[in-house]
Amino acid sequence: QKEVEQNSGPLSVPEGAIASLNCTYSDRGSQSFFWYRQYSGKSPELIMSIYSNGDKEDGRFTAQLNKASQYVSLLIRDSQPSDSATYLCAVTLNFGNEKLTFGTGTRLTIIP
Amino acid sequence: NAGVTQTPKFQVLKTGQSMTLQCAQDMNHNSMYWYRQDPGMGLRLIYYSASEGTTDKGEVPNGYNVSRLNKREFSLRLESAAPSQTSVYFCASRLSRGQGGYTFGSGTRLTVV
Repeated sequence: QKEVEQNSGPLSVPEGAIASLNCTYSDRGSQSFFWYRQYSGKSPELIMSIYSNGDKEDGRFTAQLNKASQYVSLLIRDSQPSDSATYLCAVTLNFGNEKLTFGTGTRLTIIP
Repeated sequence: NAGVTQTPKFQVLKTGQSMTLQCAQDMNHNSMYWYRQDPGMGLRLIYYSASEGTTDKGEVPNGYNVSRLNKREFSLRLESAAPSQTSVYFCASRLSRGQGGYTFGSGTRLTVV
């Protein structure tokens, strides 16, 4: 089992709809969770961080964390063509761990 | 404010050649990292430095060495390049252990022929 798993996609969503991206992780002791956006040929860009169970909203983005189910998700409301990118889930696998472990990413395409 | 700066952006090496990838950050971050990104493999950690004067191996350290020159700079050296080291290399930094996510540099696209 991979430490951080994501569906590689591609995920196609109509413009204006909600895009839902999912990530599961293997270590129950994981403490910190991040979503990065990566455009083709560019570096990853941090868009959301979440540390406790529940929802965290920032503009059109909502991160959801469920530690009991070892599941973190990212919702993008009112999807725009500029949201087309690969989304990387990253997890600090145990408290105080220095390193982030990344999933392989989900490629999202917003269809105009 | 430049953030994390990597040089060079592109490089082609012949098998057996050596080179050093440079990384510098101006955010007063303590922790710095080197990752490689390959299709289908995601980002894999090569080496990291939790603070000035310390370095540790990551998931895929073989064939690489690092130097934390000072708080700002963290370099990655390939002593004898191999085609398997063809990849995109990213340097990243963050304030310290457990403090938020990483800030990434723009990457170095390396091809070894």
